[in-house]
Amino acid sequence: DTAVSQTPKYLVTQMGNDKSIKCEQNLGHDTMYWYKQDSKKFLKIMFSYNNKELIINETVPNRFSPKSPDKAHLNLHINSLELGDSAVYFCASSQEALQGASTDTQYFGPGTRLTVL
Amino acid sequence: KQEVTQIPAALSVPEGENLVLNCSFTDSAIYNLQWFRQDPGKGLTSLLLIQSSQREQTSGRLNASLDKSSGRSTLYIAASQPGDSATYLCAVHTGNQFYFGTGTSLTVIP
Repeated sequence: DTAVSQTPKYLVTQMGNDKSIKCEQNLGHDTMYWYKQDSKKFLKIMFSYNNKELIINETVPNRFSPKSPDKAHLNLHINSLELGDSAVYFCASSQEALQGASTDTQYFGPGTRLTVL
Repeated sequence: KQEVTQIPAALSVPEGENLVLNCSFTDSAIYNLQWFRQDPGKGLTSLLLIQSSQREQTSGRLNASLDKSSGRSTLYIAASQPGDSATYLCAVHTGNQFYFGTGTSLTVIP
């Protein structure tokens, strides 16, 4: 059983389109994250949700909107896609919220490679 | 703001060698530091997590150390194998954020 799963694995789309990436975790974790990994392999956090509430919202364009229908799911919706959005997007989860959790390990999904043409 | 740097960016070693990967961070106020492995086209796999109160953690051929005061961590891999070839990333947990380094791409030559 996959702990953190993402769909789709690959996404190729035209500029200006709207797309969504789904993430699900079956670990019973309270916190989920979205990261963006650029072409230089640099990983940067975009959003973090704890029990369906947004707790981190880094400086990302408001074209990106996370949606958490329940604790096990955190989907990423992107409007009006741009060339610069091409990257690999990783979902992750951890047991506790970030604050004060010194033993918390993050579990990552396999990533979604988004290519905007 | 926390900055995490990993040196070298790439490393190539013959099979059987012991090696050290380095990670440095600018703010010592961290909760923990985690080492990950990323295989091409795959997600990240957690290797070791060192809490801020600890100085090292070991798992099999891997040993990670943490020196908070100097803002450094090392990942020691003993008796490297071709299967160890991957990108290794360190991540610092500051209590409200995770900051990742840019990774070290390791190639172990048979």
